[in-house]
Amino acid sequence: AQSVTQPDIHITVSEGASLELRCNYSYGATPYLFWYVQSPGQGLQLLLKYFSGDTLVQGIKGFEAEFKRSQSSFNLRKPSVHWSDAAEYFCAVGEDSNYQLIWGAGTKLIIKP
Amino acid sequence: DAGVIQSPRHEVTEMGQEVTLRCKPISGHNSLFWYRQTMMRGLELLIYFNNNVPIDDSGMPEDRFSAKMPNASFSTLKIQPSEPRDSAVYFCASSPTTSGSIYEQFFGPGTRLTVL
Repeated sequence: AQSVTQPDIHITVSEGASLELRCNYSYGATPYLFWYVQSPGQGLQLLLKYFSGDTLVQGIKGFEAEFKRSQSSFNLRKPSVHWSDAAEYFCAVGEDSNYQLIWGAGTKLIIKP
Repeated sequence: DAGVIQSPRHEVTEMGQEVTLRCKPISGHNSLFWYRQTMMRGLELLIYFNNNVPIDDSGMPEDRFSAKMPNASFSTLKIQPSEPRDSAVYFCASSPTTSGSIYEQFFGPGTRLTVL
């Protein structure tokens, strides 16, 4: 069965430091890949997506992610985090056979001043 | 566009009462999803509609839960009778069916349900 793993439940980084959030998936074909962000008390907002083409995708709020087929990974990065980036981040994979998204458990990002 | 609209934003009820959550998807979106989010279980898909027809309801916890989509602009999720373990945030999301975008889901702000 398809699965998505976000190995880090919490990550703490200092404001201005770089960030990388990990996401690994288990899926046979080329997946559709997403990163969503959830601010406290809010719904989920799409940060970026990968369907095909360039494996480095740019998203909103200065985020980017790189699809690495050999590692079955789609890690999210940002060169310099801001206090407003404190939120929970979810990786998701779309299946070819239906319209559902398979969700990771989420990584909570904490920003140190 | 106003985005996905959910009501109420907060609901507090007593065990045994009926609860109805409402969702208005983004106009033109053909797919609608109901999710439940808890600390223990994370984000769970409850049911998915396509063109107003329920396609997959395998995530609905039990018969106390029911969902309807009478038209393209409205859906309800009903819990009857409600139990304390139903306390969670319930999200509605909609998705267009344009090729390449079908999986991109747009989320509403959620309904925080507390069952006492």
